[in-house]
Formats: sequence, C-alpha cells, structure tokens
Amino acid sequence: GAVVSQHPSWVICKSGTSVKIECRSLDFQATTMFWYRQFPKQSLMLMATSNEGSKATYEQGVEKDKFLINHASLTLSTLTVTSAHPEDSSFYICSARGGGQVAGGPHEQFFGPGTRLTVL
Amino acid sequence: AQSVSQHNHHVILSEAASLELGCNYSYGGTVNLFWYVQYPGQHLQLLLKYFSGDPLVKGIKGFEAEFIKSKFSFNLRKPSVQWSDTAEYFCAVRGGNTPLVFGKGTRLSVIA
Repeated sequence: GAVVSQHPSWVICKSGTSVKIECRSLDFQATTMFWYRQFPKQSLMLMATSNEGSKATYEQGVEKDKFLINHASLTLSTLTVTSAHPEDSSFYICSARGGGQVAGGPHEQFFGPGTRLTVL
Repeated sequence: AQSVSQHNHHVILSEAASLELGCNYSYGGTVNLFWYVQYPGQHLQLLLKYFSGDPLVKGIKGFEAEFIKSKFSFNLRKPSVQWSDTAEYFCAVRGGNTPLVFGKGTRLSVIA
C-alpha cells in the first residue's frame, strides 16, 4: 500500500511553454501533498506544501505564480510550471501524507518516482 | 525550523567494509527521523525511520540507525556493505507537523 504515482515521468518542452505534472496517491487519501525539486547531485528542496481544498504554502524563494499547485482532491495534486525556462529544468518529486489509516501512520511521507523536466 | 547536516559528501568503501554515515539535526522539539536511499536512476526509498521507543532502529537490507538525543544525531550503519549498496543516502527530519527536511545527501560508492 501507500503508492504515489507521477505523470509524466519525463518531459521535454520549449522555453516559454507551460508544463503540468500530476501526482496521485493510488491507495490512500492524501490530506497533504508536498512538492520537492532536486537538482543533479543535490538534495531534495521543498518547494511547497498543499492541503486538499486550500491554497498551497510556498517555501521562501519559490515563485507561486511560476509554480502553480492545485490540490483539488484527496488523491490528486498538480504542479504547473508556467512559462518554463531552461533554468527550470530539474527533477520534480511529489510526496503525499495521509491520515491515520495509512500504513506508517500520519507521520510518514510517501514519495512518487519523480518527473524529469528538460526545458530547451 | 529544523535543519539536517550530513557530514560526508562522498564515501568510497570496499565490499564487506563497515559503513557509518553521519547525520545531525537541529530542532528543539520532538522529531521523527528517517533515512532514505536513492539508487541510480530510481526514486527515493525508505530505509528506516525513528518515531519513538528503542533508539536503535533496524531497517531494510541490513541497515540500522541509532538515535542519540544528546548529540542530536541519527547515524546510519551497516556492518558489511555490498556493491549493490552503491547509492545516494539522505537523512531527513520532521519536527512536529512540518514537512520532511532533507540533508544534502551522501553518495556511497562500493567497489569490488
């Protein structure tokens, strides 16, 4: 149990276009979802936290108009990179945390496989 | 806010050598502690976690970690590494109801 999927797994786009990444919790309800960004050979940096039905909370330095997050349901969150530029190329990882019914309890975050974005 | 420090950037070991990766955190309250592994080209996998109770935690693949509260440490250990343990290892901390905060990671290279 506690599987998190992401789609697409990789995407290449032209500079100036927008890209949407989906994150789904497949077998549990994710009350909270997190979006991380990982640069090559570096750690995961938290971008934002979203709770179902409410606005996302962005970390300092993350442009909320650039990285639009929607957590419309308990199983789906989307990250849209608007007007992408080459410097937005990175590995984006979502994570989900559910309620007490999830294996591991409410404390554990489950990670998706990541989406590699390359902006030309 | 909590922070995590992993002291070793890159560790190179021969097969069968013992491993210890350091992790120190900064947070004044109760913490949950985690070690994740990321094999080349794969996503994060949970190795082990500590919430409460016995400070010596055993995880998958023969890994263990010890929580030493007085030292704010949660070092990862394995008595005998294998080539297949080559990966990036991340220590993570969660204080209260906050998101996981990750250390910068330690790259482990195991040579035959």
